[in-house]
Amino acid sequence: NAGVMQNPRHLVRRRGQEARLRCSPMKGHSHVYWYRQLPEEGLKFMVYLQKENIIDESGMPKERFSAEFPKEGPSILRIQQVVRGDSAAYFCASSPGDRYNYGYTFGSGTRLTVV
Amino acid sequence: GQQLNQSPQSMFIQEGEDVSMNCTSSSIFNTWLWYKQEPGEGPVLLIALYKAGELTSNGRLTAQFGITRKDSFLNISASIPSDVGIYFCAGLSGTYKYIFGTGTRLKVLA
Repeated sequence: NAGVMQNPRHLVRRRGQEARLRCSPMKGHSHVYWYRQLPEEGLKFMVYLQKENIIDESGMPKERFSAEFPKEGPSILRIQQVVRGDSAAYFCASSPGDRYNYGYTFGSGTRLTVV
Repeated sequence: GQQLNQSPQSMFIQEGEDVSMNCTSSSIFNTWLWYKQEPGEGPVLLIALYKAGELTSNGRLTAQFGITRKDSFLNISASIPSDVGIYFCAGLSGTYKYIFGTGTRLKVLA
């Protein structure tokens, strides 16, 4: 009865490399959300996806960032040509269908460090 | 972007003391949530609030949905060392997007 699974837990990338973060939602959850947390700050919404659809990507930078949630497999957050400012904790959350007011279940996050 | 303000930002308290924190917004929300985040982990949902004036408890935690719908409050009674962490409020903006507060960092001195 696994919760939201994110991997890797820690990721180190050199400037200019690509970072790929994975998220498997809770069983029975079809909606996935990605949030970013900078040190000593709260969580900022990035993108909301359903299977094969991006519903809202208003919080995601238009350049270098992309997200997908394919029909099969985990949701992927991809950051191309990473820069030092991308260093943060990235959290994935999921919810069952459109029961938004019950809140989200979060994963343990991926901590990205760009060196 | 839109963010909720939490107060205090951080606090040190003695074990056994009661704790109060609040969250304020310039916007009205229809749902308020309180989460706790421990070091190296993701946020865990503590309490959900759905109606103005609502008071809800979860063990030693009690949260209230402000009457103006622009604020919420969390109280922790008789704090213990494992209460340490960051407490976030979150308001539901629109249909599905939660806006998170800046967090209250709690440290409990044994």
